[in-house]
Amino acid sequence: AQSVAQPEDQVNVAEGNPLTVKCTYSVSGNPYLFWYVQYPNRGLQFLLKYITGDNLVKGSYGFEAEFNKSQTSFHLKKPSALVSDSALYFCAVRDMKYSGAGSYQLTFGKGTKLSVIP
Amino acid sequence: GAGVSQSPSNKVTEKGKDVELRCDPISGHTALYWYRQSLGQGLEFLIYFQGNSAPDKSGLPSDRFSAERTGGSVSTLTIQRTQQEDSAVYLCASSLDGSSLAGYEQYFGPGTRLTVT
Repeated sequence: AQSVAQPEDQVNVAEGNPLTVKCTYSVSGNPYLFWYVQYPNRGLQFLLKYITGDNLVKGSYGFEAEFNKSQTSFHLKKPSALVSDSALYFCAVRDMKYSGAGSYQLTFGKGTKLSVIP
Repeated sequence: GAGVSQSPSNKVTEKGKDVELRCDPISGHTALYWYRQSLGQGLEFLIYFQGNSAPDKSGLPSDRFSAERTGGSVSTLTIQRTQQEDSAVYLCASSLDGSSLAGYEQYFGPGTRLTVT
């Protein structure tokens, strides 16, 4: 079974400081990893994904994420936080090992609320 | 271009009533997914469609939940005899192709907030 953990319910960071939102995963095969962002009363917006290749993935709005296979982590990062980055962030994984029923779904973490303080 | 749309945006219903939630995916996307988002619980997968067939219904929580997709486009999620625990935001997503990695990226609609009183 695949699973995702976001160990922090909330992250507070001052505007202009670097931010990190943590994510760890568990799969049997190779992971297909995503980050999504959700603004209040909005659906989820895709930020970035990792399939294979370079461990550092760059995405929308200046975000990037680093895939670390040995630590089974996929932390989201941004060098300089903006107040407008304040939102709910979700990490998600799909296990590429399996096919058939149950294999097409993305498994999401419970989300991390990011607050950027002016 | 147009994104995923869902209707209604909000639905309040009495316990025991049936409700229908609609999802209109991005044009050309063959894969469609329904998720449920409860407060503090993250997203819970419900069902996946590839075209009009549903190869993965593993997330439907009970037989009160059903979904269909017609014409490879619009999907309807039906909840019969609603219960208070059904209150949540129901999110729909679509992707170009659910079975290929290149086409797997999911795009989400704004959701339907269901409140069962």
